[in-house]
Amino acid sequence: GAVVSQHPSWVICKSGTSVKIECRSLDFQATTMFWYRQFPKQSLMLMATSNEGSKATYEQGVEKDKFLINHASLTLSTLTVTSAHPEDSSFYICSARDPGASGTAGDEQFFGPGTRLTVL
Amino acid sequence: EDQVTQSPEALRLQEGESSSLNCSYTVSGLRGLFWYRQDPGKGPEFLFTLYSAGEEKEKERLKATLTKKESFLHITAPKPEDSATYLCAVGGSNYKLTFGKGTLLTVNP
Repeated sequence: GAVVSQHPSWVICKSGTSVKIECRSLDFQATTMFWYRQFPKQSLMLMATSNEGSKATYEQGVEKDKFLINHASLTLSTLTVTSAHPEDSSFYICSARDPGASGTAGDEQFFGPGTRLTVL
Repeated sequence: EDQVTQSPEALRLQEGESSSLNCSYTVSGLRGLFWYRQDPGKGPEFLFTLYSAGEEKEKERLKATLTKKESFLHITAPKPEDSATYLCAVGGSNYKLTFGKGTLLTVNP
């Protein structure tokens, strides 16, 4: 399957600072990437859809000014958590689908390894 | 609103003891029923996609089946390395996935 990477794998920051997380598709071009957040023992919650060359689409209840998404190239999307607070501490995971895959394989989403954010 | 409910929340099995995990769903316009495996502290790993009622897919000790309202993940003769959280998700419009909370499977040797 396709490979998606994330960087960093974990980060600790002070309250009020901003943190940037990168998501890369390594062996395919992803016009669309997705950002999820997962709290302990909870499901993955979709935060936003990142579209190459255009604005991200945010899910209801997600603050777009707090979670800035930039999809500047076909292989890279970034999520910046601005003015982070302890309640933003979570596991952030990105995914991507390969639009070049044939048939229903194009529906499959491949996930990155996740980024553990801890805000002190 | 798409909804996915998985049961049980946790399941403990002895090595070799077969069982099934359940995923019930409601969705307007199903674009695939997905099963993922997630190990602690890692991202989900793709297992299967099912599209039509009656469809079945197999991979090693795992078999996924689909009806109009639910999907089952059957685990035959599990091994300790099958221990993980198994996530079910439904695909909707614009390729968005709605996940259930998962089933934490523990297989004891």
